[in-house]
Amino acid sequence: KQEVTQIPAALSVPEGENLVLNCSFTDSAIYNLQWFRQDPGKGLTSLLLIQSSQREQTSGRLNASLDKSSGRSTLYIAASQPGDSATYLCAGGSEKLVFGKGTKLTVNP
Amino acid sequence: GAVVSQHPSWVICKSGTSVKIECRSLDFQATTMFWYRQFPKQSLMLMATSNEGSKATYEQGVEKDKFLINHASLTLSTLTVTSAHPEDSSFYICSVMGRADYEQYFGPGTRLTVT
Repeated sequence: KQEVTQIPAALSVPEGENLVLNCSFTDSAIYNLQWFRQDPGKGLTSLLLIQSSQREQTSGRLNASLDKSSGRSTLYIAASQPGDSATYLCAGGSEKLVFGKGTKLTVNP
Repeated sequence: GAVVSQHPSWVICKSGTSVKIECRSLDFQATTMFWYRQFPKQSLMLMATSNEGSKATYEQGVEKDKFLINHASLTLSTLTVTSAHPEDSSFYICSVMGRADYEQYFGPGTRLTVT
């Protein structure tokens, strides 16, 4: 059974800092690894999707990597901004996604 | 990506009543939709997979007679919480599977409060 863990549970950084969010999964036989952003009381916004054959994906200031052999993915956020404050969720799977509990990020002006 | 809507965005109902939540795929036909539940400060838990024209597949521990799912068209899936209890109060989110690569697109969620 797939289990997804995210560390840290919460992170507070000053504006402008580069940061890394971590995600680990127990079953390396995943098809996709997705990173999402969730604002309080809102749904999920898909940030990046990494297919199992890929190593990383980039979108703007975001870069996500995937290492299936070690069961890890990281989300790198460059030059963080207060607007980046949200909970970041990673999820792995194929048709069915298993979610981590998320990392709550606060970027302080 | 796909645009997914949910209605209502929030609902309050009395214990023992039923409430229906709609999930719509606005810009493409979705053969597969998913329903998730999220309790406060918890992650999303998959409840069921909804396939157009067939019965939904429920995850272990989810009562199919309590959470009725209907996927009658390629753009609409509904979740009905029957005989709601306060412990059913949660944030319900649907998602749509995209055309390729199993990418999922999520709706804005429905906040259900049962009093």
